[in-house]
Amino acid sequence: ILNVEQSPQSLHVQEGDSTNFTCSFPSSNFYALHWYRWETAKSPEALFVMTLNGDEKKKGRISATLNTKEGYSYLYIKGSQPEDSATYLCAFLGNYKLSFGAGTTVTVRA
Amino acid sequence: DTGVSQDPRHKITKRGQNVTFRCDPISEHNRLYWYRQTLGQGPEFLTYFQNEAQLEKSRLLSDRFSAERPKGSFSTLEIQRTEQGDSAMYLCASTPGVREASEAFFGQGTRLTVV
Repeated sequence: ILNVEQSPQSLHVQEGDSTNFTCSFPSSNFYALHWYRWETAKSPEALFVMTLNGDEKKKGRISATLNTKEGYSYLYIKGSQPEDSATYLCAFLGNYKLSFGAGTTVTVRA
Repeated sequence: DTGVSQDPRHKITKRGQNVTFRCDPISEHNRLYWYRQTLGQGPEFLTYFQNEAQLEKSRLLSDRFSAERPKGSFSTLEIQRTEQGDSAMYLCASTPGVREASEAFFGQGTRLTVV
């Protein structure tokens, strides 16, 4: 069983504040690391797919970094807005199988 | 193509009954995954297909669960003799499969409630 772990499980952020959270994954047999946003009553949607050690990706106010040697990735949200409230999932792609963490649920308070 | 679709969206069944769910992936997507998600957890891998071949099945999956993808297009997931512990959201996702790093596209899931 692949251990993909996310921390913290949940967090509350004041509107306008920035935040970040982590995903740890096995450092062997690595193909890619995915981040998804999962809003209530919707399907998970991909934010980033990262493949190279040191990758940094950005989409609007959300960015992510990747360290494949030590097996972790950070997701950052800058200037949080209420619409950022969602569960953020990371997924490790190794040996052709996509394995998910339990997610970090972000609640942005106005 | 409107994306990955799953049917039904909701299913309530009595314990002991059999249920079958369907997933239609994005056309041309070779790889299809089934996941189960329970409250407070992320998607738990159940099985996946490359075209019509089932390449892996989770050891957590009992013999009551079976999945097929007979023509490499849509897939079905059947649960026999359902138990209350089977109550969960069942998610299907597909990827092109040509480039392993491709993002997965999810359906909206089938929520199963066993009473």
